[in-house]
Amino acid sequence: GENVEQHPSTLSVQEGDSAVIKCTYSDSASNYFPWYKQELGKGPQLIIDIRSNVGEKKDQRIAVTLNKTAKHFSLHITETQPEDSAVYFCAALREKLIFGAGTRLAVHP
Amino acid sequence: DVKVTQSSRYLVKRTGEKVFLECVQDMDHENMFWYRQDPGLGLRLIYFSYDVKMKEKGDIPEGYSVSREKKERFSLILESASTNQTSMYLCASSSAGTDNYGYTFGSGTRLTVV
Repeated sequence: GENVEQHPSTLSVQEGDSAVIKCTYSDSASNYFPWYKQELGKGPQLIIDIRSNVGEKKDQRIAVTLNKTAKHFSLHITETQPEDSAVYFCAALREKLIFGAGTRLAVHP
Repeated sequence: DVKVTQSSRYLVKRTGEKVFLECVQDMDHENMFWYRQDPGLGLRLIYFSYDVKMKEKGDIPEGYSVSREKKERFSLILESASTNQTSMYLCASSSAGTDNYGYTFGSGTRLTVV
């Protein structure tokens, strides 16, 4: 079955810096790769996603890139703000979503 | 605003009790899922359902069962709660259509088994 690895597990940045979170997946048939943000006390919320026929997608300060050959995908957050502090999860869809272990991002003012 | 609603935010149950976690979605989604979330392990799939009265085992079904009698409701059942089932439980739903694969999650139920 699908396996998703996510790195790093924790990430600390200064406000205004960029943050990058990386994931790898094992099943080459996976065709959809969402990223979720989970704030304290809340369920995960979808922030951006990408399909296997697209290499890059951007939405304001966040972007996702996909390298199908290497089976890597990454989340990029630019100009980080304190409200970006949360746990971020990547996932890959084959028949159902399989999640990475999560990255706790802390943005310090 | 579309929603997935989990009936309880916090639950404390005793070992051996039968526990019901309820989830209701108002988006007319065909697919519903139960995950558990533990630190360092991410979200692990317990059970899922693609239709009423249909259920499939996920990656960690042992000790759990589910019920889907109506399209909007998906219940997770712990037949005899144990301390290793102390966790955050998340319900999600998604459309069966191919134009939108996104899952919508509830706010979670934090279950403590003592």
